[in-house]
Amino acid sequence: AQSVSQHNHHVILSEAASLELGCNYSYGGTVNLFWYVQYPGQHLQLLLKYFSGDPLVKGIKGFEAEFIKSKFSFNLRKPSVQWSDTAEYFCAVNAQYSGGGADGLTFGKGTHLIIQP
Amino acid sequence: KAGVTQTPRYLIKTRGQQVTLSCSPISGHRSVSWYQQTPGQGLQFLFEYFSETQRNKGNFPGRFSGRQFSNSRSEMNVSTLELGDSALYLCASSPARGLAGGDEQFFGPGTRLTVL
Repeated sequence: AQSVSQHNHHVILSEAASLELGCNYSYGGTVNLFWYVQYPGQHLQLLLKYFSGDPLVKGIKGFEAEFIKSKFSFNLRKPSVQWSDTAEYFCAVNAQYSGGGADGLTFGKGTHLIIQP
Repeated sequence: KAGVTQTPRYLIKTRGQQVTLSCSPISGHRSVSWYQQTPGQGLQFLFEYFSETQRNKGNFPGRFSGRQFSNSRSEMNVSTLELGDSALYLCASSPARGLAGGDEQFFGPGTRLTVL
């Protein structure tokens, strides 16, 4: 079974600081990779995803992530954070099988990001 | 388009009872997945239904079951409730190929289940 590790459980940054949230997964085969975000009082929503192709993917609100297969990593980045980025961020992975099937999503434990004005 | 809706939003049950939670996916979505969210274990995958068939199942006991109807609405059932089943249960729907296609999942607000 795959696992997902998010290295930072709580991160506090000031506005305009750069952000990088780490995510590592354990599965050695083909994977789909996701970052989901949950803003206070809102549902989980997709920030970005990697399915295939260019390993550098861009998402909403200026976020991007890079898939590095050799490091089993999918780190989330944003060059300049805003107060409105305060939220819980979840990395998620599902294994894709050659027969066309796939596993359910495995989520990391989440990173609680607080942006101070 | 209306989002994913879940009913009820809050539920209180006692140990040994059973419970049924309901999920209405976004119109046109064929895949519905269920997740359990707790402070200790985080978000854990329960199962995925696609075109009325269970396509994936997570590592949960047989007390957790589900089904999907022809209109893609889904229900999950937990029998013989235990204190540890207290959690937020999230439903998510996907268009087209669902988890197998790497589709985005659209999450509902969840049902908060408390077992006393």
